[in-house]
Amino acid sequence: NAGVTQTPKFRILKIGQSMTLQCTQDMNHNYMYWYRQDPGMGLKLIYYSVGAGITDKGEVPNGYNVSRSTTEDFPLRLELAAPSQTSVYFCASSYGPTGRDEQYFGPGTRLTVT
Amino acid sequence: GENVEQHPSTLSVQEGDSAVIKCTYSDSASNYFPWYKQELGKGPQLIIDIRSNVGEKKDQRIAVTLNKTAKHFSLHITETQPEDSAVYFCAATIITQGGSEKLVFGKGTKLTVNP
Repeated sequence: NAGVTQTPKFRILKIGQSMTLQCTQDMNHNYMYWYRQDPGMGLKLIYYSVGAGITDKGEVPNGYNVSRSTTEDFPLRLELAAPSQTSVYFCASSYGPTGRDEQYFGPGTRLTVT
Repeated sequence: GENVEQHPSTLSVQEGDSAVIKCTYSDSASNYFPWYKQELGKGPQLIIDIRSNVGEKKDQRIAVTLNKTAKHFSLHITETQPEDSAVYFCAATIITQGGSEKLVFGKGTKLTVNP
């Protein structure tokens, strides 16, 4: 199993541009998550999904959108990039809910908005 | 809101010494406390976790203790090795308004083990 994969690894965006961060898992996990990690800070939850077709907001959802059309994929969309969205983004997945099953993390996408 | 405080932010030890990282949490309903290790350029990886009905858990050189009354939990690494050098994050579950659980993370501790 490849686990959780993310693309791209790095990206530089200009203010106002849009992009989609891709996340795929091959572990048949029901739950998927998007986190952002700012320098010197812990991870903050952006959005999560409990299964295909179901998504919900996390702690910091403003400026982002997600979709979950398949069990495997959970893309994160930035519509109008802002400097405040400069961060490292991590996708994670788990078989069961938070608190019951381990979350497996992808390698991250480092995004810079200038 | 609910938060998790983690100390210290940096920790430097000599190879073979022990390292201790401490976290406190605010939500008395928290019942699951994982610890993650993040190596440079990689995603976090779970190394050990503990649930609220247990006071201590060990896995080889790593142990975690939980004091629910005081709302704090700690990671203990014994006989440290250079490959233990990484950033360590603690986390705790909280219950959202919708009734689901989510993880709240500490800010991390950068551990350096000097050979």
